[in-house]
Amino acid sequence: TQLLEQSPQFLSIQEGENLTVYCNSSSVFSSLQWYRQEPGEGPVLLVTVVTGGEVKKLKRLTFQFGDARKDSSLHITAAQPGDTGLYLCAGAYDNYGQNFVFGPGTRLSVLP
Amino acid sequence: NAGVTQTPKFRILKIGQSMTLQCTQDMNHNYMYWYRQDPGMGLKLIYYSVGAGITDKGEVPNGYNVSRSTTEDFPLRLELAAPSQTSVYFCASRGEGGYTFGSGTRLTVV
Repeated sequence: TQLLEQSPQFLSIQEGENLTVYCNSSSVFSSLQWYRQEPGEGPVLLVTVVTGGEVKKLKRLTFQFGDARKDSSLHITAAQPGDTGLYLCAGAYDNYGQNFVFGPGTRLSVLP
Repeated sequence: NAGVTQTPKFRILKIGQSMTLQCTQDMNHNYMYWYRQDPGMGLKLIYYSVGAGITDKGEVPNGYNVSRSTTEDFPLRLELAAPSQTSVYFCASRGEGGYTFGSGTRLTVV
């Protein structure tokens, strides 16, 4: 059983389109992180959110943390082929110590 | 460049063989981790360490062992390789800015 669920599992879009991917849990996160992983490499941290309702922007990427801190979304505007990769969310839970739990990821492919 | 260095990048083992995956970080992080990544399953925590001399089991520790004699190094040992251990292994360290991952070791057990 996954503590964290991500949807969709796969997404293939054309360059220039917008997209949103989701990260959900039945438990409350104390904080949540998003990572992007390119083929043959380890995940790279994109953002950390800690406050319910928080919105952070990183160029064309917008991250939102749900008010109840049980879910998060990542919205990409005008996707580019360079956005292709596996997007992972990782949540910290108060009763899980200092470690984060990783979701299964959304594999995004942006076609030129 | 500062970061996490893993070796080797690829390895093929025969069933029953043993090997050590090396991991070194130069950021002076106390927290270090070993994950395995299987297709569609995300990252599963094998072992972690909160500092030199201290290690603890994660979700999937069976068949693995670790040691942490220094802050920099966190090797992962496979004693009797099994096909179920075919996976991509990532070492990571964690500081205030989040996790920093190595580039992974792709292990195949045949």
